Amino acid sequence: EDQVTQSPEALRLQEGESSSLNCSYTVSGLRGLFWYRQDPGKGPEFLFTLYSAGEEKEKERLKATLTKKESFLHITAPKPEDSATYLCAADSGNTPLVFGKGTRLSVIA
Amino acid sequence: DTEVTQTPKHLVMGMTNKKSLKCEQHMGHRAMYWYKQKAKKPPELMFVYSYEKLSINESVPSRFSPECPNSSLLNLHLHALQPEDSALYLCASSQEAVGADTQYFGPGTRLTVL
Repeated sequence: EDQVTQSPEALRLQEGESSSLNCSYTVSGLRGLFWYRQDPGKGPEFLFTLYSAGEEKEKERLKATLTKKESFLHITAPKPEDSATYLCAADSGNTPLVFGKGTRLSVIA
Repeated sequence: DTEVTQTPKHLVMGMTNKKSLKCEQHMGHRAMYWYKQKAKKPPELMFVYSYEKLSINESVPSRFSPECPNSSLLNLHLHALQPEDSALYLCASSQEAVGADTQYFGPGTRLTVL
């Protein structure tokens, strides 16, 4: 069965304290790995798509990387406005997306 | 433009009511999706439409009835819902339903069933 596991479940950072969120996946034939940001009561906002091991993508303070077993979302010098739930999802071709449970990030000023 | 719009933003309904949720996209996407999301849980797939035809129904109860009138519009008709159906209902679209295309989500409709 395809599975996506995110860790930690929750993360509390001081403003400027860099860290990484982990997404490990067990899917047969990964076709794409997606990162989304979700604010409370709102729809997920697309961040990155990664297609193959070794691929990296960056946007402002965020950088996503992909290996054959996991993906990392690195947050450099986070600000309070980066507080949100970050969702990882894998496309294996069986169903469109298999979501992880998310990491709830709080950045304290 | 990667915008998916959903109306209404909030909906409160009784268990005997009939209501509809609406979703619209103008990105030329041929796949559209309905998800249900409970608090502190990831989105849960309900239906997938590909080229205006229902391609996936994730064993959703018949009190939820999807409709795709054209390639830009997706509706979800609601009838005789239960309080446990209260959730955030998300619509998404992608270029195709296969091929690892990015799904873009709408803002959601917050549904409360009394």
